Amino acid sequence: DAGVIQSPRHEVTEMGQEVTLRCKPISGHDYLFWYRQTMMRGLELLIYFNNNVPIDDSGMPEDRFSAKMPNASFSTLKIQPSEPRDSAVYFCASSLSGKSSYEQYFGPGTRLTVT
Amino acid sequence: GEDVEQSLFLSVREGDSSVINCTYTDSSSTYLYWYKQEPGAGLQLLTYIFSNMDMKQDQRLTVLLNKKDKHLSLRIADTQTGDSAIYFCAESITGGYQKVTFGIGTKLQVIP
Repeated sequence: DAGVIQSPRHEVTEMGQEVTLRCKPISGHDYLFWYRQTMMRGLELLIYFNNNVPIDDSGMPEDRFSAKMPNASFSTLKIQPSEPRDSAVYFCASSLSGKSSYEQYFGPGTRLTVT
Repeated sequence: GEDVEQSLFLSVREGDSSVINCTYTDSSSTYLYWYKQEPGAGLQLLTYIFSNMDMKQDQRLTVLLNKKDKHLSLRIADTQTGDSAIYFCAESITGGYQKVTFGIGTKLQVIP
């Protein structure tokens, strides 16, 4: 398996623009997570899905952020409008329920810079 | 609530042992994890321990859990330059296994 795939790997945009980050989880995994990593706050869970249904979005910073999972193999995280404080590395991860370790498999991340 | 704390930085000489420490607050933690992040990459699970265990060894890695003090440590024996990375302590709680809370990460620098 190719692992969790994220695109783009790098995104530079201007303040006010819409940004869409994409994720393809590992085939067969039924959980998908979106995280944000910054130097100041570390790794923060934004939202996670189970079987394409959002379970907990309490980490989503504000209404400018939205996430969707239209099917088992694709998810998006959208920021509209973007602001400089959204600059961070955004990770997508997936996992498979029923496994004892509950290991999460992370993608390589998308580095977002908002100028 | 859930909170995981760890020191930010550790520097060791190649060949020495590294010990990375972590404390957590949730007494209902079920699994405790150590993840490794190499530069420019996502996190990768190194090892984990179930909360009813106090030690787990896997090759050069030893995990110690003191449940009374809510303290977790990761010991890397014979540390190599390839071990230089950020190490994250994490926990998941009873009933919420899939939701994992991560610490801020400890950056390990191995000096040749």
